Amino acid sequence: DVKVTQSSRYLVKRTGEKVFLECVQDMDHENMFWYRQDPGLGLRLIYFSYDVKMKEKGDIPEGYSVSREKKERFSLILESASTNQTSMYLCATAAGTGVAGELFFGEGSRLTVL
Amino acid sequence: AQSVTQLGSHVSVSEGALVLLRCNYSSSVPPYLFWYVQYPNQGLQLLLKYTTGATLVKGINGFEAEFKKSETSFHLTKPSAHMSDAAEYFCAVSRANFGNEKLTFGTGTRLTIIP
Repeated sequence: DVKVTQSSRYLVKRTGEKVFLECVQDMDHENMFWYRQDPGLGLRLIYFSYDVKMKEKGDIPEGYSVSREKKERFSLILESASTNQTSMYLCATAAGTGVAGELFFGEGSRLTVL
Repeated sequence: AQSVTQLGSHVSVSEGALVLLRCNYSSSVPPYLFWYVQYPNQGLQLLLKYTTGATLVKGINGFEAEFKKSETSFHLTKPSAHMSDAAEYFCAVSRANFGNEKLTFGTGTRLTIIP
């Protein structure tokens, strides 16, 4: 089974802090994604990566950056956290490119910014 | 551009009754369509998907969905609801041949099962 592990299930940070959300997968998938989930808004894509050191902006990249130094690890970085970034963050992976395959999700990281 | 509309943010059905969750899509090119389910405190998992071929697709846990191009719909159904079906369901669309990186999700429908 594919396993997507998000390092923290719950985080509480203060405004202005730098926040790192880590995601690790064990299935050698090329594609990795970071989504944000908010009530009434569904899932919105922040960034995705289709290879090591490669990244593409999603629909809402403002205020976020990402890092993919190794194939299995994809990090989401909030350089200066703000209260409007309080949300559930979901990491996902998928095999291949240009193929409508299945997304495999982690359990999510719920971030509260005070 | 592509989009998904899920009608009804909350749906309640009695145990044993028919489950119908509605999804309409907009896409300028042939779409790939998906339903994902999210159980409490978990990530999403794939229920079923339509890419090409047969328009009635079957998924896990007894769910199925029918792609109707003329109605731009991909509604999710299950003949008999079970308590374990209580979850949030997301419809998603991607452009054919663009794969996962162009997946657009709907806003979700929370399904409640009444004993």
